[in-house]
Amino acid sequence: DSGVTQTPKHLITATGQRVTLRCSPRSGDLSVYWYQQSLDQGLQFLIQYYNGEERAKGNILERFSAQQFPDLHSELNLSSLELGDSALYFCASSASSYNEQFFGPGTRLTVL
Amino acid sequence: GQNIDQPTEMTATEGAIVQINCTYQTSGFNGLFWYQQHAGEAPTFLSYNVLDGLEEKGRFSSFLSRSKGYSYLLLKELQMKDSASYLCAVGRDDKIIFGKGTRLHILP
Repeated sequence: DSGVTQTPKHLITATGQRVTLRCSPRSGDLSVYWYQQSLDQGLQFLIQYYNGEERAKGNILERFSAQQFPDLHSELNLSSLELGDSALYFCASSASSYNEQFFGPGTRLTVL
Repeated sequence: GQNIDQPTEMTATEGAIVQINCTYQTSGFNGLFWYQQHAGEAPTFLSYNVLDGLEEKGRFSSFLSRSKGYSYLLLKELQMKDSASYLCAVGRDDKIIFGKGTRLHILP
């Protein structure tokens, strides 16, 4: 158990819908990262927050947004969902950038 | 650029040694990570190299050459449970960019 929690574990929804994925980092970790992993792709970095502020941005679509709250939990919002958004979404946390990242169990999103 | 190259798949025999190579573009480099990921599970941290040389941790060792943009992960005394994907990841400009991973198959 990494200490990072993600909810829900599975999510099935339809195209055009909007969903919110939730992540609670390990106690004391200030950095939260979001990744997308499809079957044929590696882990794609989406976005990083550090202590409530956006720190780095990767290949995150404009239909996706995220935030980190004062209690350090983070949410990833995915809107206007398309079939291609079906993937495993991982959240990870670390004490700071370039530290070991601890990954949550992931949320498996299926868009039908 | 973001290119991180590692072999897609490798096969080795239980009890043997295997070396998984990773090459990357060196601009903005801040360190190199190796993670292990079993199918359907979250990645777990194996090692972090920021200076040149070999870091040994039990059966696993990781090597880095910053000037060559090259790293390898060495796994000794392979066990069946080592069947997994091994992800090379590069720290660059406050981001950590992952390679596509090397799927390692262990034969009995």
